[in-house]
Amino acid sequence: ELQLVESGGGLVQPGGSLRLSCETSGFRFSDYWMSWVRQAPGRGLQWVANIKPDGSEHYYVDPVKGRFIVSRDNARNSLFLQMGSLTAEDTAVYFCAREKGDFWSGDDAFDIWGPGTLVAVSS
Amino acid sequence: DIQLTQSPSSLSASVGDSVTITCRASQSIRRYLNWYQQKPGKAPKLLINDVSTLQSGVPSRFSGSGSGTDFTLTISSLQPEDFATYYCQQTYEAPPITFGQGTRLEIK
Repeated sequence: ELQLVESGGGLVQPGGSLRLSCETSGFRFSDYWMSWVRQAPGRGLQWVANIKPDGSEHYYVDPVKGRFIVSRDNARNSLFLQMGSLTAEDTAVYFCAREKGDFWSGDDAFDIWGPGTLVAVSS
Repeated sequence: DIQLTQSPSSLSASVGDSVTITCRASQSIRRYLNWYQQKPGKAPKLLINDVSTLQSGVPSRFSGSGSGTDFTLTISSLQPEDFATYYCQQTYEAPPITFGQGTRLEIK
């Protein structure tokens, strides 16, 4: 069964750091681009970052550039998001998602999602 | 960045109705437009990719059309399980990948 499961969310103080993990199973993880998407309470979806199958390229939405780092461990079929200098605006449910296509061709979509993990930034 | 504007932001309809949701891109995204359905407390679910390709298991009452900057998602003969929030997404010019703001479909 295709499965993604996020972990690592929680309550963190402004300026703090947190590392999210996404464990995957049921597919060849090393073949796929992977993304993080977040959703602030009561708001819409925002793509956060993604990473190439071999980990050699990664991209970010502007508000998180320089603060977040996406990485992966293909041997452990796992995706990570290291988040730093957190602010209240980073409060959201964070989803990991598998990209079914080729990011650089434009022909892409997120076909498998985890249930999400909540990150709350508050003092 | 490419902006996606969905309309309406919300709508009410009855079981059995047909509804159409529109997604307009700030510039041409060719046919690289996807649609997702999200229910409260759940992850989004991919319904349609590349404008009109239905994902496996998605009922045929869902359909998509459009190209360039204007796209539509149509749900014919609404069923109770279809009441949810729908998002469009473009992957043509990225990064960043962007989503529309969502359309909430409620039961009348």
